Amino acid sequence: EPEVTQTPSHQVTQMGQEVILRCVPISNHLYFYWYRQILGQKVEFLVSFYNNEISEKSEIFDDQFSVERPDGSNFTLKIRSTKLEDSAMYFCARRTVEKLFFGSGTQLSVL
Amino acid sequence: AQRVTQPEKLLSVFKGAPVELKCNYSYSGSPELFWYVQYSRQRLQLLLRHISRESIKGFTADLNKGETSFHLKKPFAQEEDSAMYYCALTSTSYGKLTFGQGTILTVHP
Repeated sequence: EPEVTQTPSHQVTQMGQEVILRCVPISNHLYFYWYRQILGQKVEFLVSFYNNEISEKSEIFDDQFSVERPDGSNFTLKIRSTKLEDSAMYFCARRTVEKLFFGSGTQLSVL
Repeated sequence: AQRVTQPEKLLSVFKGAPVELKCNYSYSGSPELFWYVQYSRQRLQLLLRHISRESIKGFTADLNKGETSFHLKKPFAQEEDSAMYYCALTSTSYGKLTFGQGTILTVHP
């Protein structure tokens, strides 16, 4: 089955900097998600995105976070001013009725 | 609120032994339960979905609503089963997934 591609695979940034994580799902799918996993902790839901709008977001997804699908294909997660605790693996996912397809993740390290 | 609990962080068995990874959930409605697996250096992928009631790679899981459990079982573990296993729950078909903490399964030769 078609995979979800995420770029970059690793991102290192300084605290306070903005980062943009990218996901290239299949263009005709409507449901997309971002999850993250802090090292040693469980996978946590961040936000779901349906038909170019946020449909649900978690408490983690505060004003520092935003999602876009600017060109109808790439699906981006932006963190405006990164904090040390934003260091995690970030997973993009797309959903069919049967299951969630995950990307390989972007490891974000905030120094 | 949705909650998924996997009580074992680590589980070790020998090849050929039965294995059971425990999962308990908390949800007031009718949830949909999944098991996801992450092999070393690979992405998360779906292993089982309770609705489909299928067996994948010899693994099965039965939803027990009375005990609010969805334990993953395999009668004869193989070395290639070594991986991180996550139990997950959703309340709607396209809703968010709530994951458990994960269980690292190691199958020794």
